[in-house]
Amino acid sequence: AQTVTQSQPEMSVQEAETVTLSCTYDTSENNYYLFWYKQPPSRQMILVIRQEAYKQQNATENRFSVNFQKAAKSFSLKISDSQLGDTAMYFCAFMKHGLGTTEYGNKLVFGAGTILRVKS
Amino acid sequence: DVKVTQSSRYLVKRTGEKVFLECVQDMDHENMFWYRQDPGLGLRLIYFSYDVKMKEKGDIPEGYSVSREKKERFSLILESASTNQTSMYLCASSFVPRRRTDTQYFGPGTRLTVL
Repeated sequence: AQTVTQSQPEMSVQEAETVTLSCTYDTSENNYYLFWYKQPPSRQMILVIRQEAYKQQNATENRFSVNFQKAAKSFSLKISDSQLGDTAMYFCAFMKHGLGTTEYGNKLVFGAGTILRVKS
Repeated sequence: DVKVTQSSRYLVKRTGEKVFLECVQDMDHENMFWYRQDPGLGLRLIYFSYDVKMKEKGDIPEGYSVSREKKERFSLILESASTNQTSMYLCASSFVPRRRTDTQYFGPGTRLTVL
């Protein structure tokens, strides 16, 4: 079974600074996806960024980037130029690669989450 | 944009009541999911459905059942609510092209309190 660990329950950062959220995972799979989801206070969970394990290049989405270390099973999220709107709970999640219509691998395994507070 | 809606944002029920949580998605997604979210535990999968009338148990199915009579609608049923089912419930959906997995889109959540 896969597990996802987020070791930082809470973090804070000053507006405009950079912050890194940590995530490690445990799996024996070779093909999988990793995700960071953001859940703002009282608002809907949305996808921030995703990474395919077979891609060596780290994914980036505007101010959000990841440091994917497959051998170390580490998947950290870096937020640059932090904004007040980045205040949220961030979840790291793992998904096994689906092998076809009879393999229902489309299940996410989540970490416990990290609360990020951006201060002005 | 994908839209996943849930019937209630907040719900208060009494122990022993039968509770229905409804989820609707408007993007013709094959997969639909029910999670519960608890502090310190993240999200845990209760049930998911990969087609109409098809379902599979997730990691914590005990005390819950589901129904998917139409592709766009996935219901979570608490047959006899108990206080330990007080939680935030999140619905999600995803499109599964052949031989791929894909991003899940989440609803706003239902915060259920069982007294």
